[in-house]
Amino acid sequence: GESVGLHLPTLSVQEGDNSIINCAYSNSASDYFIWYKQESGKGPQFIIDIRSNMDKRQGQRVTVLLNKTVKHLSLQIAATQPGDSAVYFCAENVPGYSTLTFGKGTMLLVSP
Amino acid sequence: DAGVIQSPRHEVTEMGQEVTLRCKPISGHNSLFWYRQTMMRGLELLIYFNNNVPIDDSGMPEDRFSAKMPNASFSTLKIQPSEPRDSAVYFCASSFRRGVGGYTFGSGTRLTVV
Repeated sequence: GESVGLHLPTLSVQEGDNSIINCAYSNSASDYFIWYKQESGKGPQFIIDIRSNMDKRQGQRVTVLLNKTVKHLSLQIAATQPGDSAVYFCAENVPGYSTLTFGKGTMLLVSP
Repeated sequence: DAGVIQSPRHEVTEMGQEVTLRCKPISGHNSLFWYRQTMMRGLELLIYFNNNVPIDDSGMPEDRFSAKMPNASFSTLKIQPSEPRDSAVYFCASSFRRGVGGYTFGSGTRLTVV
């Protein structure tokens, strides 16, 4: 039969716009979260992290927001550039689990 | 540091052949992970080592897959015999203190079994 691929949510933006990528995490006990960026042909790269005792953390052009009430994590990218085009994954650390749990990913497409 | 180094970058092999993927983690990292990524399943954890000891291999698909970590600076993932459905990108990642600070991924090995 025909195989069905993993359909990634896709966000398409224009260069210069601000982008917001969302992630719903699974476990209310998660205490640490990470955003990864995966460009085509490369491995996932660490972008920014946040601990559960914070609700916001800023990096260079990126901000991560954590809403523990609704178990929601977002990554905001300011002034999005074509080089930001990639798949973005969120990952969570659940105390007692031996490894990070990765989300399915969101594809960001930035057009000039 | 050169990061996590994987070899080969690409591997094309015939069904039934043995395939060995190699990984050199970042010096000082005590955890090592092997992942498989496909369009069908996304990123899947195959096996996890801590201080060179396999801790969780529940993600290894079947007995055809095996992984070793003979020392802190080297790990292998072996598939014998390989099958077309093993075609995927295989990533190795390492971390210090079980994920705090995140995992550092290698560039991956793209495996094609024909």
